[in-house]
Amino acid sequence: RKEVEQDPGPFNVPEGATVAFNCTYSNSASQSFFWYRQDCRKEPKLLMSVYSSGNEDGRFTAQLNRASQYISLLIRDSKLSDSATYLCVVNMGYDGGATNKLIFGTGTLLAVQP
Amino acid sequence: AAGVIQSPRHLIKEKRETATLKCYPIPRHDTVYWYQQGPGQDPQFLISFYEKMQSDKGSIPDRFSAQQFSDYHSELNMSSLELGDSALYFCASSSGRTGKLFFGSGTQLSVL
Repeated sequence: RKEVEQDPGPFNVPEGATVAFNCTYSNSASQSFFWYRQDCRKEPKLLMSVYSSGNEDGRFTAQLNRASQYISLLIRDSKLSDSATYLCVVNMGYDGGATNKLIFGTGTLLAVQP
Repeated sequence: AAGVIQSPRHLIKEKRETATLKCYPIPRHDTVYWYQQGPGQDPQFLISFYEKMQSDKGSIPDRFSAQQFSDYHSELNMSSLELGDSALYFCASSSGRTGKLFFGSGTQLSVL
């Protein structure tokens, strides 16, 4: 079982739709959580951090449920430009080294249709 | 704002050749990571450096090595290249151990 799991999709949604992605992680000691966006053959870009209290950035809302060990990303009013792969990233902290151990999920592909 | 700079953007090599990829992190970032991403795959962690010292190693083959220099730039050296090494190689940097990574545009390595 992978340490971080995501539904690979693709999620095909019409413009204006609301779409939600979930991500589960196996290590309960994980310290911080992030959503990254990656366009085809481009570098991943930080979309938002995820906090236990939930956080919102415009049309994007992220939630963390530590008890159930999952994080979610909600996108409202989808735009064509939201089409990308969304990567869930879990920070395991310092796993014996001096740098964070960051585990990427396999990503969820979103395709917003006109 | 300055971003992570990687060079070259594209590299074509033949089997058994060597390749060197370069990364210039964001100024004042103290941590550098290298990732390998195959087609349709998530980024796989290779190696990281904190304050120019190697910190962690992931799934990096013995044929690969990396170092970080006094000016904080990092190089990934790959020898005896194999077809399976063809991938996008990303460098990322971060500051203050936040776990937030800033990625370069990557180097597309093609091994023929």
